[in-house]
Amino acid sequence: GENVEQHPSTLSVQEGDSAVIKCTYSDSASNYFPWYKQELGKRPQLIIDIRSNVGEKKDQRIAVTLNKTAKHFSLHITETQPEDSAVYFCAASRDNAGKSTFGDGTTLTVKP
Amino acid sequence: GAGVSQTPSNKVTEKGKYVELRCDPISGHTALYWYRQSLGQGPEFLIYFQGTGAADDSGLPNDRFFAVRPEGSVSTLKIQRTERGDSAVYLCASSPRRTGYGYTFGSGTRLTVV
Repeated sequence: GENVEQHPSTLSVQEGDSAVIKCTYSDSASNYFPWYKQELGKRPQLIIDIRSNVGEKKDQRIAVTLNKTAKHFSLHITETQPEDSAVYFCAASRDNAGKSTFGDGTTLTVKP
Repeated sequence: GAGVSQTPSNKVTEKGKYVELRCDPISGHTALYWYRQSLGQGPEFLIYFQGTGAADDSGLPNDRFFAVRPEGSVSTLKIQRTERGDSAVYLCASSPRRTGYGYTFGSGTRLTVV
């Protein structure tokens, strides 16, 4: 089955700096890669996603890149703000399978 | 409804007891998922429904776990003879179609087995 590894497990940055979180996956048939943000005690919320026919996608301060050959994808947050502090999860899934496999999360702390 | 609703939000039960966890997905979402999240880990897949049928139950850890979705809307996750290792947050999610779309998660049910 699919295996998703996420790094780093914790990340601390100064407000205004950029943050990068990386994930690798094992199943070459995976073709959909969402990212979720989970604030303390709250539900995971989808923040951005990318499909395997696209190399990069951007939404304001958030961008995701995908390298299918190397089987890795990354989340980039620019101009970080304290409210970006949360746990971020990457996930991978196939179009012909319902489930997603999640990474173990990255705890991002943005210091004011 | 406007979001995915899960009840109860917290459940404390004694080892060996039976529990039911309920999920009410977003209206019109045909796909419904159950995940389990332990502290410090990502959500772990349990089961996925497309309509009324369980399309993939490969994540259920053993036969103490069972889930139903009889009318293609509300789903119930049932756990028999609970064990302390079952303690976790049980998350339900729904999406408009089977795959290729991000989930809308509920707030979860925090299950504690004492």
